[in-house]
Amino acid sequence: AAGVIQSPRHLIKEKRETATLKCYPIPRHDTVYWYQQGPGQDPQFLISFYEKMQSDKGSIPDRFSAQQFSDYHSELNMSSLELGDSALYFCASSLGDGLSTEAFFGQGTRLTVV
Amino acid sequence: LAKTTQPISMDSYEGQEVNITCSHNNIATNDYITWYQQFPSQGPRFIIQGYKTKVTNEVASLFIPADRKSSTLSLPRVSLSDTAVYYCLVGDRDSGAGSYQLTFGKGTKLSVIP
Repeated sequence: AAGVIQSPRHLIKEKRETATLKCYPIPRHDTVYWYQQGPGQDPQFLISFYEKMQSDKGSIPDRFSAQQFSDYHSELNMSSLELGDSALYFCASSLGDGLSTEAFFGQGTRLTVV
Repeated sequence: LAKTTQPISMDSYEGQEVNITCSHNNIATNDYITWYQQFPSQGPRFIIQGYKTKVTNEVASLFIPADRKSSTLSLPRVSLSDTAVYYCLVGDRDSGAGSYQLTFGKGTKLSVIP
């Protein structure tokens, strides 16, 4: 079965550079979530989208932005990167059919800022 | 969002049953209880969800008392591969319009010992 696809899997950037992470949800899933997980930390919710509109916002820095496109894939744009942005970034998707609380997570993108 | 409290860590020997309890005193009427499992450097994986009483699937059972202020995830006969972090989440089901808030708190690090 198709899963959530994230690209790239690994990314190395220098301070003050920009990065774009991509997420391709499971087909028919209409909700996408983005998370940041630092070393030894719990996943921190950044932002979510439902039907291409932002639905909820968490602890996302102003330097970050995200959007969901017409094909439901989503991109997380990160500018003016800082060393502290080094983390695993997960994307998840779910189906808003009101039947489940299950979300499916991708393999993550490991961002290293040097 | 209902706040959840879990033990930070637990140890268990292989073959034993493990019970992880989560407190969620301010759970709302529409909230469901969901548990996720996360291995290092992987995205969280859905284990089980429930609303009240007992739910069982092929990997775990979830016990929810009548007042729903706590829940217990039960893992039968754990093996070394069950070593992971387990998260308890409380929230409404995803019925569209971004209604499902997938927020992780502090999880429980389970270590299974040979």
